[in-house]
Amino acid sequence: DVVLTQTPPTLSATIGQSVSISCRSSQSLLHSNGNTYLNWLLQRPGQPPQLLIYLVSRLESGVPNRFSGSGSGTDFTLKISGVEAEDLGVYYCVQSTHAPFTFGSGTKLEIK
Amino acid sequence: EVKLVESGGGLLKPGGSLKLSCVASGFTFSNYWMHWVRQAPGKGLEWIGEIEYDGTETNYAPSIKDRFTISRDNAKNTLYLQMSSVRSEDTATYFCTKGFAYWGQGTLVTVSS
Repeated sequence: DVVLTQTPPTLSATIGQSVSISCRSSQSLLHSNGNTYLNWLLQRPGQPPQLLIYLVSRLESGVPNRFSGSGSGTDFTLKISGVEAEDLGVYYCVQSTHAPFTFGSGTKLEIK
Repeated sequence: EVKLVESGGGLLKPGGSLKLSCVASGFTFSNYWMHWVRQAPGKGLEWIGEIEYDGTETNYAPSIKDRFTISRDNAKNTLYLQMSSVRSEDTATYFCTKGFAYWGQGTLVTVSS
């Protein structure tokens, strides 16, 4: 099974600060069809997860453009350019290239 | 508006069975693979499995394979998760999701003697 290693496990940021979260895969997430099925989700306290980024770098409709994704193969990054108070929660990467699909262990973002 | 509503959760004893439902609306249900994901209290997300458009293909996580079964009724726009031989470690909130883009609010399953 694909293991996704997310770092750091926790982040503390001030409003306006830019932060990055890393997601490293135990094997390449490049599918034979040429797509890389790596998504980023945010789970706010008490809520179901929300899709932020799909296919590594595509911004989901309605998601603020301060969120961006990058990477390829086995190394991926989510960047928040200018954290806002509403961004607090747990961020997860998830891969759907190889079954069984797997999630990273999560990164908790706290606002200072 | 896409809407997913799970139901059927509750308290059951180890070794017992339970069937969860997820009613979908706001999209053509029969055109999409659907997934179940769970989250143990205070823990991260775990993919349970998926089912193809017409139900002919399913894939499961190793942790629940041969104990859980995913099915669907496209005429009723409903996704199911049949849980059997449950264990305490199956205690979790169970979410249905359409491609990780749309999620229900989840239904809590507690396994305890």
